[in-house]
Amino acid sequence: GIQVEQSPPDLILQEGANSTLRCNFSDSVNNLQWFHQNPWGQLINLFYIPSGTKQNGRLSATTVATERYSLLYISSSQTTDSGVYFCAVHILTGGGNKLTFGTGTQLKVEL
Amino acid sequence: SAVISQKPSRDICQRGTSLTIQCQVDSQVTMMFWYRQQPGQSLTLIATANQGSEATYESGFVIDKFPISRPNLTFSTLTVSNMSPEDSSIYLCSVGEGQYNSPLHFGNGTRLTVT
Repeated sequence: GIQVEQSPPDLILQEGANSTLRCNFSDSVNNLQWFHQNPWGQLINLFYIPSGTKQNGRLSATTVATERYSLLYISSSQTTDSGVYFCAVHILTGGGNKLTFGTGTQLKVEL
Repeated sequence: SAVISQKPSRDICQRGTSLTIQCQVDSQVTMMFWYRQQPGQSLTLIATANQGSEATYESGFVIDKFPISRPNLTFSTLTVSNMSPEDSSIYLCSVGEGQYNSPLHFGNGTRLTVT
């Protein structure tokens, strides 16, 4: 099946710093989504981004489907950005309705 | 997006017992899914809950262990049967915004501990 790898696996930032999280996938995909899981376990959909670039406040995401990767940019990080960031992909054929989740990036933002 | 209410939010259960988790959505949705997140791990799809018919299970998950009901377009239940400590996980209900291949949203999850 498709492999979805995220890097880095762990990241510690000082408040106000910027960061880039990466998601690599091993096969062509139909769509890609980014999620944030807060320390209490709640999952929030950040972006639905099969290709191109989108921005939402301090967050932006870019997917280059032909090169099989996506990037999530966090600018001016805040302590509330802490948690785990997952990318998830829907494959083009044979995947049914299945979203395959990546390995995750654990982010901690410190004062 | 739809408001997804999941309960219980957490439970501690004895091995050999069963727990039923409920998922209620405030609007009719076509696509509804159940995921499992084992401690420190990513999410794995258990099954797609189909309204009015048997759920579609992913490899490694079977109906006898994880029976799922979906009586209508706003409600579903997942039962974790004959539990063992290995079933200790977060179980998450999720819904798609539209039809096939649409943005996915999650309930707050059920944190299950089996002793």
